[in-house]
Amino acid sequence: NAGVMQNPRHLVRRRGQEARLRCSPMKGHSHVYWYRQLPEEGLKFMVYLQKENIIDESGMPKERFSAEFPKEGPSILRIQQVVRGDSAAYFCASSPPSRPGANVLTFGAGSRLTVL
Amino acid sequence: DAKTTQPTSMDCAEGRAANLPCNHSTISGNEYVYWYRQIHSQGPQYIIHGLKNNETNEMASLIITEDRKSSTLILPHATLRDTAVYYCIVTGGTSYGKLTFGQGTILTVHP
Repeated sequence: NAGVMQNPRHLVRRRGQEARLRCSPMKGHSHVYWYRQLPEEGLKFMVYLQKENIIDESGMPKERFSAEFPKEGPSILRIQQVVRGDSAAYFCASSPPSRPGANVLTFGAGSRLTVL
Repeated sequence: DAKTTQPTSMDCAEGRAANLPCNHSTISGNEYVYWYRQIHSQGPQYIIHGLKNNETNEMASLIITEDRKSSTLILPHATLRDTAVYYCIVTGGTSYGKLTFGQGTILTVHP
């Protein structure tokens, strides 16, 4: 029973390139969340998705960042034209179909993006 | 979501109980207390949660005061692998995974 799978674990990009981070939720989980942890800072919520729907993207930067969770395949967090400030660990989490109080998330190991 | 206050760091001897406090004096009636931890360079890990009754699972116990303004996470027999940052999070029933992680408590377990 695999947990939340994220890849790549480490990604190096030069300024101006695109970064694509992938997340496969736990089996049976239909809700996906992305969090970002900047160096020496806490975890910050970015976006909450269900299949083919963005439910809450209040934590996403307004430009260059996008997320999707298609009907088939993993969730993708896409960062266009990366800048050095995007260097961070990006964590994906998943949860089963929601119910009130359902904040029991299973996190992946994270994808560490370094922008040169 | 209610704000939480935790000590910046704590130490514990291996094999002893680790008691991690959390203040959440502005908690409202429908808000739950959640605990997560993050071991260095890993993803956060869910530990336990509760509303008003004390809770216990295979990892820890959660003691919530009667007025619900504070709580304590208890690791009954701490091991070196419990060294981590522990986050106390208070959130309502409709927040659906949108968690606010503060600075947490750095717990160091010593041999």
